[in-house]
This record gives sequence, structure tokens and C-alpha cells, in this order.
Amino acid sequence: GEDVEQSLFLSVREGDSSVINCTYTDSSSTYLYWYKQEPGAGLQLLTYIFSNMDMKQDQRLTVLLNKKDKHLSLRIADTQTGDSAIYFCAEWATGKAGTALIFGKGTTLSVSS
Amino acid sequence: DADVTQTPRNRITKTGKRIMLECSQTKGHDRMYWYRQDPGLGLRLIYYSFDVKDINKGEISDGYSVSRQAQAKFSLSLESAIPNQTALYFCATSEGQGGGYGYTFGSGTRLTVV
Repeated sequence: GEDVEQSLFLSVREGDSSVINCTYTDSSSTYLYWYKQEPGAGLQLLTYIFSNMDMKQDQRLTVLLNKKDKHLSLRIADTQTGDSAIYFCAEWATGKAGTALIFGKGTTLSVSS
Repeated sequence: DADVTQTPRNRITKTGKRIMLECSQTKGHDRMYWYRQDPGLGLRLIYYSFDVKDINKGEISDGYSVSRQAQAKFSLSLESAIPNQTALYFCATSEGQGGGYGYTFGSGTRLTVV
């Protein structure tokens, strides 16, 4: 079945780069997403990548996609304390949960000054 | 006003009580979803609806029911609340399946069952 795996925690210093990794199982996924959840808030779409792309850059964010290994990563350059949040990887999948976004468990990013 | 509005924002209820969580949207999207979030478990799909006449169970629908009253409204009910239904509940909408837009989420309802 479909599944999305992420490491649960990442701690970095302000100004460093952060790399959050994700693996997914549905090879037919056409779009893959990164969502950000700040404390006490809902999820906001951060960025997404279409499956025919290897890389997408958006200001401080770089998304890398390795379709062969079903591996997705999100790199945040010059990480700031305001980037502290939970980051969720998600893919469209059809399976036990129907046709819907399947989310990873989320990676909590902690940025220290 | 928010695109996706959930009410209430917080709720404490007793075991065995019936409770309804409401969601309304101004996005004009046909597809609506209910998820619950538990620490360390991420988001799990409870129910989803592709239009007013279409309701589908998600991964964890037991103990829940939904009603799609209109394109803009999708309610989640707990018929007889139990403590392990304590969680953060999110409603979301989408323009379609796939695409570059993903979901638009509400701010969530924090439900505590005592």
C-alpha cells in the first residue's frame, strides 16, 4: 500500500542549511508536496514538484526528486528561527485511504540562534 | 475571512456525548476532506467527499460520520465520543485530484474527550 516516510526531528543552527528527507511508495504519483505547520496553526502549502521534474527552486527552498529511489527532499537555505515548524511531505495516492493526499508523519525542524 | 473555516476552534466534551465539527469553504472546490492529527502519527484521513452526493470512507472512519450539506459545507460527527478521539481535526478542500494546488486547510479544531 501507499506510505510516506520522514524522519521525525531535525535540529539546525540559524544560518545553516536544513535538509528534510522523505520517501514515498506510489510510483504513479504525479505531484508531490511539502506542507508547513507552524505551532497552533493549520497546514500551509509550501511548495510542490511535478513528477517529470528533478528539481524545483523557489527562493530559499529547493526541492529534489529522485523518482528511481522514490525520494524527495526539501532544502531550506539560510535557515531562520521563523522556519521552526513541522514539515510534511505528501503524495496523491489511491489505496486504502481512497484517492487523497497521503501525508508523512512530519519532521519537526528546530532552529537555534 | 478564511477560505476554509472550521468551528469550533476548541472543544472539550465528555465520553459518550455526540459532537459535530463543522467546516465551510469559500473556495468553490468540490472536494472536501476530514483528517485527524495525532502527535507522531501525522495526518490520517477520516472521510472525503468529491461532491454533495459522494461520500467516501478514509483510513480511519470507524466511530465517525459525515454530512455534506452543500458544496460549501462538510460536517464531521462523533456519535459517541471516546477519549482516544482526542486529537486535532482538520478540514481541507481541493480543486481536483493531483495538480499543483494540493489542499487548502482550515485552522483546525482541537477536540478533547474526557
